[in-house]
Amino acid sequence: DTGVSQDPRHKITKRGQNVTFRCDPISEHNRLYWYRQTLGQGPEFLTYFQNEAQLEKSRLLSDRFSAERPKGSFSTLEIQRTEQGDSAMYLCASSFSGNTEAFFGQGTRLTVV
Amino acid sequence: DQQVKQNSPSLSVQEGRISILNCDYTNSMFDYFLWYKKYPAEGPTFLISISSIKDKNEDGRFTVFLNKSAKHLSLHIVPSQPGDSAVYFCAARSSGDKLTFGTGTRLAVRP
Repeated sequence: DTGVSQDPRHKITKRGQNVTFRCDPISEHNRLYWYRQTLGQGPEFLTYFQNEAQLEKSRLLSDRFSAERPKGSFSTLEIQRTEQGDSAMYLCASSFSGNTEAFFGQGTRLTVV
Repeated sequence: DQQVKQNSPSLSVQEGRISILNCDYTNSMFDYFLWYKKYPAEGPTFLISISSIKDKNEDGRFTVFLNKSAKHLSLHIVPSQPGDSAVYFCAARSSGDKLTFGTGTRLAVRP
């Protein structure tokens, strides 16, 4: 296991299209997080799962965003009807509950044109 | 409402000297503080953490100090090396293990 994997690394899409990103966490980790990072800012929390249960969603996560982790392993983040303001780096992280540090993937850079 | 603040956007130090990166927070409910390092086009990499019940944690060249009364923490890197050049994020942990990040400090270590 080489760490948290995200796919794709880059995505360019036209405004109004839907996009889906995938995250494969470290296999023994039961917690999975999605963050978003824009230029000049630190990562901002979007949502997290413990196993397959989505336990918390940020108010940043509008109705156009949905995340799933159907079998408690990989997760997907879908953005519907993308807007230019959705352009950002989307980061996935995983951890084992009770452990301090979360391990991040390399991110998916989304550009909405 | 910026609960974690890194007021210095950039820092430049000479190789071999000490680098000190600072972070302030406002939420007294944070129970762990972490430092992450980020290179361009990569995700953040965990460096070191400290529990809110401690005031110092050391790991090799990296030491984190926590002053709870001042709601301030700092990361010391001694000696600094050119490979340390990156953006450093301070993060604080709250419920559910979610992290609140600062805006980052770009460290440049000059050879």
